[in-house]
Amino acid sequence: DAKTTQPTSMDCAEGRAANLPCNHSTISGNEYVYWYRQIHSQGPQYIIHGLKNNETNEMASLIITEDRKSSTLILPHATLRDTAVYYCDAGTGNQFYFGTGTSLTVIP
Amino acid sequence: AAGVIQSPRHLIKEKRETATLKCYPIPRHDTVYWYQQGPGQDPQFLISFYEKMQSDKGSIPDRFSAQQFSDYHSELNMSSLELGDSALYFCASSRTGLGQGRHEQYFGPGTRLTVT
Repeated sequence: DAKTTQPTSMDCAEGRAANLPCNHSTISGNEYVYWYRQIHSQGPQYIIHGLKNNETNEMASLIITEDRKSSTLILPHATLRDTAVYYCDAGTGNQFYFGTGTSLTVIP
Repeated sequence: AAGVIQSPRHLIKEKRETATLKCYPIPRHDTVYWYQQGPGQDPQFLISFYEKMQSDKGSIPDRFSAQQFSDYHSELNMSSLELGDSALYFCASSRTGLGQGRHEQYFGPGTRLTVT
């Protein structure tokens, strides 16, 4: 799996877009970028994944740079319930690697 | 929609005892994963099974074993428990099918194991 780096923590005002970056500069051509989040002590929750193209689902959007060395997860209208630790991983293996992640706090 | 079921939700054991955690995947999911999350730590992959065969192995101690049964449920068996085994244990499932590589995983609520 590619090594990923994320900021340790971020704040976002409620109702605003939350943009969470992830650097995966060593990603190889067949490695997907996956995002999960974990709300305090709950089971991690799948958010979105992508290979090359930008992706959008009901939870978030994923923007992958053209060189695929970094990506950004966008929560378009953050709510208090989006406060969680967000993890990105890039790889092909079955298991997901939970690195340090970004602790996102949505502020009222 | 049906989710991953884990039992028990809470378990208290003493050192050197054994424990068995159970996981029931989402219907029609063929792959099960086990993760361990210690206090203040990120989840760590332990082991996974696809179609009842071990598919990947992570940082699972030799004191632990796991299997997937014909109905696709899985059990994590933990022996000679140590204080350091106190953690949240998550099970996840996915529908892998014949495709190779990564698939989105759906996690259960976890079992909180406390070893005293």
